[in-house]
Amino acid sequence: DAGVIQSPRHEVTEMGQEVTLRCKPISGHDYLFWYRQTMMRGLELLIYFNNNVPIDDSGMPEDRFSAKMPNASFSTLKIQPSEPRDSAVYFCASSQGTGFVFFGPGTRLTVL
Amino acid sequence: GENVEQHPSTLSVQEGDSAVIKCTYSDSASNYFPWYKQELGKGPQLIIDIRSNVGEKKDQRIAVTLNKTAKHFSLHITETQPEDSAVYFCAVGDGNKLVFGAGTILRVKS
Repeated sequence: DAGVIQSPRHEVTEMGQEVTLRCKPISGHDYLFWYRQTMMRGLELLIYFNNNVPIDDSGMPEDRFSAKMPNASFSTLKIQPSEPRDSAVYFCASSQGTGFVFFGPGTRLTVL
Repeated sequence: GENVEQHPSTLSVQEGDSAVIKCTYSDSASNYFPWYKQELGKGPQLIIDIRSNVGEKKDQRIAVTLNKTAKHFSLHITETQPEDSAVYFCAVGDGNKLVFGAGTILRVKS
């Protein structure tokens, strides 16, 4: 299995631009998670889905953030408009709901 | 919500020595306690986990112990090697989502 796939791996954008991060979970996993990692706040859960349905989005910082999962093999995290404080590493992760959560390699986002 | 505290924030050991990292949590309903290792530029990788009905689990040089009454659990690495140098995170879960500790930077000096 290829594991969780994320794209792009690096993204540099200017403040005010729209950013879209993409994720392909491990096949057969019905839970998908978006985490954000910063030095100040560590690993924060932003939102998670079960069977493509958003279950808990209480970690989404603002309305500028949105996430979708149109099917079992694809999810997006969108930031519009982006701000410098959104700079972080964004991880997508997936699991079968047994607790074993597998992380992707992350997308390093820099907003100038 | 769940609150997870992890100590120490940094740990330096000599190669061959043991390393211990400790975490405490607040929600007594939590029942899943994994440990992740993160190397530079990579995502966290699960290295060992324990569920609430078990007190200890071992996998070669790595072990995790759990005290549900006191709400704390620990990661033990024996015979440390330079390749063990990384950031280690504890996490606490309810079977679905995980809440992570702040991480411990482990440096193994050769």
